[in-house]
Amino acid sequence: KQEVTQIPAALSVPEGENLVLNCSFTDSAIYNLQWFRQDPGKGLTSLLLIQSSQREQTSGRLNASLDKSSGRSTLYIAASQPGDSATYLCAVRPTYGNNRLAFGKGNQVVVIP
Amino acid sequence: DTAVSQTPKYLVTQMGNDKSIKCEQNLGHDTMYWYKQDSKKFLKIMFSYNNKELIINETVPNRFSPKSPDKAHLNLHINSLELGDSAVYFCASSRGGRTEAFFGQGTRLTVV
Repeated sequence: KQEVTQIPAALSVPEGENLVLNCSFTDSAIYNLQWFRQDPGKGLTSLLLIQSSQREQTSGRLNASLDKSSGRSTLYIAASQPGDSATYLCAVRPTYGNNRLAFGKGNQVVVIP
Repeated sequence: DTAVSQTPKYLVTQMGNDKSIKCEQNLGHDTMYWYKQDSKKFLKIMFSYNNKELIINETVPNRFSPKSPDKAHLNLHINSLELGDSAVYFCASSRGGRTEAFFGQGTRLTVV
């Protein structure tokens, strides 16, 4: 059974600092990995999708890396802004079986102005 | 334009009632899902449909019954609601089962 862990569970950083969010998964047989953002009381917004054959994906200030063999992904957010405050969720899709996403519990981020 | 939309956004109801949550996507996707986010914020899949056919049915009580009238819609009907059903329910969709998934805004269900 795939287990996804996100560390740290919560963090606060001053505005302008770079954010580093970690995601680890127990089964390396994944098809892809997706990072989401969730704002309080809101839905999930897809940020980046990394296929298993890729090492990283970039979108603006966001960069996500994937090391499938060691079961890790890292989301970097450069020059954090107060608007980046949210919960960031990592989800992996297994190679085999059906199409479910296995989610971590999230990294809750507060960027202090 | 809202890609994946759910109604209602909030639902407060008494134990024992029957309620439905509706979901529609305008992305042209063929796969739709229902996820449940519990009080600890953990997201877990409940159901998945591909082209109106059920392909994932997790271990959820049979009081929960999904219905997909067409590829763009996946509704969730819940019978005999219990206190433990209180959670946020998310609808999602993707093209096939392995591409980027898009989520709705969620429906916060509170059973009193």
